[in-house]
Amino acid sequence: GAVVSQHPSRVICKSGTSVKIECRSLDFQATTMFWYRQFPKKSLMLMATSNEGSKATYEQGVEKDKFLINHASLTLSTLTVTSAHPEDSSFYICSAPGGAFGGTEAFFGQGTRLTVV
Amino acid sequence: EDQVTQSPEALRLQEGESSSLNCSYTVSGLRGLFWYRQDPGKGPEFLFTLYSAGEEKEKERLKATLTKKESFLHITAPKPEDSATYLCAVQAVDNDMRFGAGTRLTVKP
Repeated sequence: GAVVSQHPSRVICKSGTSVKIECRSLDFQATTMFWYRQFPKKSLMLMATSNEGSKATYEQGVEKDKFLINHASLTLSTLTVTSAHPEDSSFYICSAPGGAFGGTEAFFGQGTRLTVV
Repeated sequence: EDQVTQSPEALRLQEGESSSLNCSYTVSGLRGLFWYRQDPGKGPEFLFTLYSAGEEKEKERLKATLTKKESFLHITAPKPEDSATYLCAVQAVDNDMRFGAGTRLTVKP
């Protein structure tokens, strides 16, 4: 199946700094990437959809200026948490639709645990 | 509004004790229903896709079934390594995917 690689798996940063999370599709081209946030014991909440070559689409309530998404190529999407605060601490996960392989399931990255101190 | 509800929230089983996890959904046009396994601190791992009512899929000790209103994930003779959170997600015809909150399964030896 398709492989989506997410990096870093864990990051600790100070309040006010920015953190970049990368998501790569290793063996297929992903024109679309989804970015989710997951709180403990809660479901995945879609934050935004990144599209290669165009602006990302953000879900209602997600601050565009705080969560910068760039889909630089057909294999790379990045999420930058700017001016991070402790309330931004969470588990962030990216995924790519499996349509490239003829299916409709999404393939997920390993996730990034962000802790803002 | 599309909704996905999973029950129970948590399930504790003894090794070998079979059970079922439920995923109830309402969606305006189902394109697919997905089951994922998520281990702590990891991204979800794909298990099954079901497309239409009556469809069933199996993988080792897991079997997923689908009706027009819900899906079940049956676990037969579970082992401790089956302990994980199992997520259900539905995808509508507009490709929006909505996840349930998951069922945390613990299998004790």
